[in-house]
Amino acid sequence: GDSVTQMEGPVTLSEEAFLTINCTYTATGYPSLFWYVQYPGEGLQLLLKATKADDKGSNKGFEATYRKETTSFHLEKGSVQVSDSAVYFCALIPSGGYQKVTFGTGTKLQVIP
Amino acid sequence: DVKVTQSSRYLVKRTGEKVFLECVQDMDHENMFWYRQDPGLGLRLIYFSYDVKMKEKGDIPEGYSVSREKKERFSLILESASTNQTSMYLCASSIQGETNEQYFGPGTRLTVT
Repeated sequence: GDSVTQMEGPVTLSEEAFLTINCTYTATGYPSLFWYVQYPGEGLQLLLKATKADDKGSNKGFEATYRKETTSFHLEKGSVQVSDSAVYFCALIPSGGYQKVTFGTGTKLQVIP
Repeated sequence: DVKVTQSSRYLVKRTGEKVFLECVQDMDHENMFWYRQDPGLGLRLIYFSYDVKMKEKGDIPEGYSVSREKKERFSLILESASTNQTSMYLCASSIQGETNEQYFGPGTRLTVT
C-alpha cells in the first residue's frame, strides 16, 4: 500500500539556520504530495503542495520539489524563525483515490533564539 | 476562509460511556474525514464520507461509527469508550478532486478514564 516516511524528530535549530526535513513516499502512479504544518494547540493546515513530477511547491519561505525519480518531497527553508516551531507532516493522495490521504508520522521542529 | 469546527476542545469520559464527537464545516465540502493523532503514529484515518449518508472505513475503524445526515456535519461515535481510545481526534473536510487540500478543525483531546 501507499506509505510516507519522514525523518524522525525532534529537530532543533538556531534561528536563521537552514532547514531540511526529508520525506520519501511509496505509491503507484502519480500521487499528489503535500506538506502540512501543525502549530501548538491547533489542527493541521496546508503549507504547500505539488501535483506532478518536477513541480515545486512554495509558501512562507518553505519549498519542496516533487522528485519522481527518487520518490521524494523534501521540505526546505533557507532561514528559520522561532515562529516556525511546529510539527510538519508530509502526505500524499494517490491518483484516482477519494482523497484518502496517507500521512507521515510528523517531524517536530524547535527553533531556538 | 473555510472553517471546520469541532464540538469540544477537551473531553473526559468514563470507560463504557457512549461518546459523540461533532464536526461542522461551512464551505459545502463533499468530503469529510475523522482521524486520530497519537505520538509516534502520526494521523490515522478512522472513517471518511464523500457524500451525505455515505461512509467508508479508514485504516482503524474498529470501535467507532460515524453519521452524516447533513452535508455540513460529520459525527464520530464511540459506542462504548475504552481507555485505548484516549487520543486527539481531528476532523477534516475537502472538495472532490485528488489535488485538493484538506481543511482541519482544531481537534478534540479525549481522555477516557
